[in-house]
Amino acid sequence: EAGVTQSPTHLIKTRGQQVTLRCSPISGHTSVYWYQQALGLGLQFLLWYDEGEERNRGNFPPRFSGRQFPNYSSELNVNALELEDSALYLCASSLLQANGAQHFGDGTRLSIL
Amino acid sequence: GIQVEQSPPDLILQEGANSTLRCNFSDSVNNLQWFHQNPWGQLINLFYIPSGTKQNGRLSATTVATERYSLLYISSSQTTDSGVYFCAARGGTASKLTFGTGTRLQVTL
Repeated sequence: EAGVTQSPTHLIKTRGQQVTLRCSPISGHTSVYWYQQALGLGLQFLLWYDEGEERNRGNFPPRFSGRQFPNYSSELNVNALELEDSALYLCASSLLQANGAQHFGDGTRLSIL
Repeated sequence: GIQVEQSPPDLILQEGANSTLRCNFSDSVNNLQWFHQNPWGQLINLFYIPSGTKQNGRLSATTVATERYSLLYISSSQTTDSGVYFCAARGGTASKLTFGTGTRLQVTL
């Protein structure tokens, strides 16, 4: 069984640009979660999608957005990139929205110059 | 929301030694997971353990939900065990996992 896959693995952007990160969940999982791991700030919850809808978001500005497609894959979009957006972005999926274990992909490492 | 605290923050072990990592959480949980983040940033699922005890090879975990803590045991540690160990919990109707700040483990020869 394939795990959660994320692309790209690494990305370098400059301030003000926009970026799109992609995530494919484990087959059969309908919930997708996005987390940010910035240096010194730990793992912070960004967004939760389930059945194509945004269900919850963390304490991040509106320039962080995303969507979930009918096949349950997901995109995370970040507009007007700032230096502090440099981080590892992790996607997770789960089978049950409430209590299922979350399984993580290998992440996308985003560097802002 | 739920608070998650891990201890110790750092741990240095010689190969072959045993260790216990602790995770305290502030409220009842319906999901508690332990992860190992390797030096390449990969977050590897170790245990899904909202209550009870589980074992997987040299690793085992116990969650005492009524007392709001979980323990991760590593026996006969190996250099490949090095990395950061995270505990993460979800409580009530929350969807997100709240992560602790991690325990950084270094296993030396």
